[in-house]
Amino acid sequence: DGGITQSPKYLFRKEGQNVTLSCEQNLNHDAMYWYRQDPGQGLRLIYYSQIVNDFQKGDIAEGYSVSREKKESFPLTVTSAQKNPTAFYLCASSMVAGGNQPQHFGDGTRLSIL
Amino acid sequence: AQKITQTQPGMFVQEKEAVTLDCTYDTSDQSYGLFWYKQPSSGEMIFLIYQGSYDEQNATEGRYSLNFQKARKSANLVISASQLGDSAMYFCAMREVYGGSQGNLIFGKGTKLSVKP
Repeated sequence: DGGITQSPKYLFRKEGQNVTLSCEQNLNHDAMYWYRQDPGQGLRLIYYSQIVNDFQKGDIAEGYSVSREKKESFPLTVTSAQKNPTAFYLCASSMVAGGNQPQHFGDGTRLSIL
Repeated sequence: AQKITQTQPGMFVQEKEAVTLDCTYDTSDQSYGLFWYKQPSSGEMIFLIYQGSYDEQNATEGRYSLNFQKARKSANLVISASQLGDSAMYFCAMREVYGGSQGNLIFGKGTKLSVKP
């Protein structure tokens, strides 16, 4: 079955540590996205990539980094510069950026501070 | 100013009844799209329905329909014959073609729907 796989489901970060969240899709989608969701809030865009080897900052990119070396993969690194990383992180993809194509989401990664 | 406003933090509905979840939006674009997503307690976001700004008919997908009133800038989701499995958070989102969001989705804060047996 085609879909988006995020791992791990739960992740704990120590002070000063970088952690990487994995996102893999087998939908052959060009565009991929990372969102952050805080309790009782909607989704906020961290980074997005419209095509391989290219990505842009979203609304809350500070303290995060990404790479897009393969079409299927869009990992997100939460760096030590992100002072409040505890949140639910969702990865999404769409056939192309924009248009009327919906974004398809993974099951999310819940990140907590130790 | 908020681009997407969902004024109902929580809603209750009796099983088998219909319910309307409100969404108003703010854009100066003529071309835009409106999406509704469902988020169960497990966390995944499930796409429900889409309405384009130029679509003349209200979108429908099974038990979901979108009451699109362009002049009022509202895109309310109607769920008919509610089921217990409809209990979840529901998010309205907008994509502007030319607006400052570079064609990305802008989400509202969501409405928590609880279906009572």
